[in-house]
Amino acid sequence: DARVTQTPRDKVTEMGQEVTMRCQPILGHNTVFWYRQTMMQGLELLAYFRNRAPLDDSGMPKDRFSAEMPDATLATLKIQPSEPRDSAVYFCASGFELGSPLHFGNGTRLTVT
Amino acid sequence: EDQVTQSPEALRLQEGESSSLNCSYTVSGLRGLFWYRQDPGKGPEFLFTLYSAGEEKEKERLKATLTKKESFLHITAPKPEDSATYLCAVRGGATNKLIFGTGTLLAVQP
Repeated sequence: DARVTQTPRDKVTEMGQEVTMRCQPILGHNTVFWYRQTMMQGLELLAYFRNRAPLDDSGMPKDRFSAEMPDATLATLKIQPSEPRDSAVYFCASGFELGSPLHFGNGTRLTVT
Repeated sequence: EDQVTQSPEALRLQEGESSSLNCSYTVSGLRGLFWYRQDPGKGPEFLFTLYSAGEEKEKERLKATLTKKESFLHITAPKPEDSATYLCAVRGGATNKLIFGTGTLLAVQP
């Protein structure tokens, strides 16, 4: 059963440090989405890609967040510098096409102290 | 602005006690309403997609329906393993963003 793989599973870091989260989408999927989940806000869309090209990153704080797809098998989300308010679970999801259902990874739980 | 509202926030049922979860939405030009199930510590798992009013989809004890303003997820004779958070999401408007509601936490007691 094909799955979206996210690493690391958990990350604890101090405020001001750089954080990099990685995602391997399902082979053959050409869309990748990054979401952030908190108890207060639920799932918030941060950015998404189609065929490795960024389509929308309006959900991300531009000054500290960046998302890239260096190749078709890897998507990254970086936070620099990290802040305590960034603490959340970050999910990556992929789909065949923009209208297709998304398949989610199990997330990276980020704690910034 | 596109919006998705789910109710109730939490629901406790006895095993076998059927009920429904609600998802109301505001979107210009619906291009799909999606239901997901999320277990603790896991990512959301896709259940159904509905595209037009009147459409229905079924899977085991779950049945999803869609009107022009809302969707219902009906759970018939639930079992404890149906306990999870159920998320509704819509795609529409001028973008391809998938906007999620905050979910309904379902607990089914044996």
